[in-house]
Amino acid sequence: NAGVTQTPKFRVLKTGQSMTLLCAQDMNHEYMYWYRQDPGMGLRLIHYSVGEGTTAKGEVPDGYNVSRLKKQNFLLGLESAAPSQTSVYFCASSYSGTWNGYTFGSGTRLTVV
Amino acid sequence: KQEVTQIPAALSVPEGENLVLNCSFTDSAIYNLQWFRQDPGKGLTSLLLIQSSQREQTSGRLNASLDKSSGRSTLYIAASQPGDSATYLCAVAGDGGTSYGKLTFGQGTILTVHP
Repeated sequence: NAGVTQTPKFRVLKTGQSMTLLCAQDMNHEYMYWYRQDPGMGLRLIHYSVGEGTTAKGEVPDGYNVSRLKKQNFLLGLESAAPSQTSVYFCASSYSGTWNGYTFGSGTRLTVV
Repeated sequence: KQEVTQIPAALSVPEGENLVLNCSFTDSAIYNLQWFRQDPGKGLTSLLLIQSSQREQTSGRLNASLDKSSGRSTLYIAASQPGDSATYLCAVAGDGGTSYGKLTFGQGTILTVHP
């Protein structure tokens, strides 16, 4: 099915470990986004990309890095995981101009112990 | 900075009732407003998208309105069903400068519909 696919769906990390979350979309969307969802905080934007080869910081970028080497993929990296990064991570994509709204992935539940 | 507030935080109704969920935002310079549904442990499903030039959108039993000048949107659910139980999220997309295209979310309304 067309849409946004996130891998992995679940992950447990130890403090200090690194990992990469992968987001892939097959809708030829220009814009891609990474959000995190925490109880009582809602969804907050981490990083986003307005096209292949571009990235920009969102509201809560510290501790994360991103890359958009291919238009269809947007990677979120945690270099040294901390318990404060325990969260549910959502990737989303949209056409440039946001006219058609956003499509979200099903999320990655990350626990850092 | 855009802020989005949803009221009520939680709502419990018997099956068959019509209900209204509210969303307010502080900066009227928006590109569009989108309502999402989120089931427990799941991702976000888009319900309705209202462009800033529109007043309302309808899909089945759902109707969303937008009053951009007053910074308000409502989601009306007619003849509620137990299957409507979920968290409903409102999000606005900024329309210019560094806010362009980025969504700001409300905290959501948790809806429970009793059989």
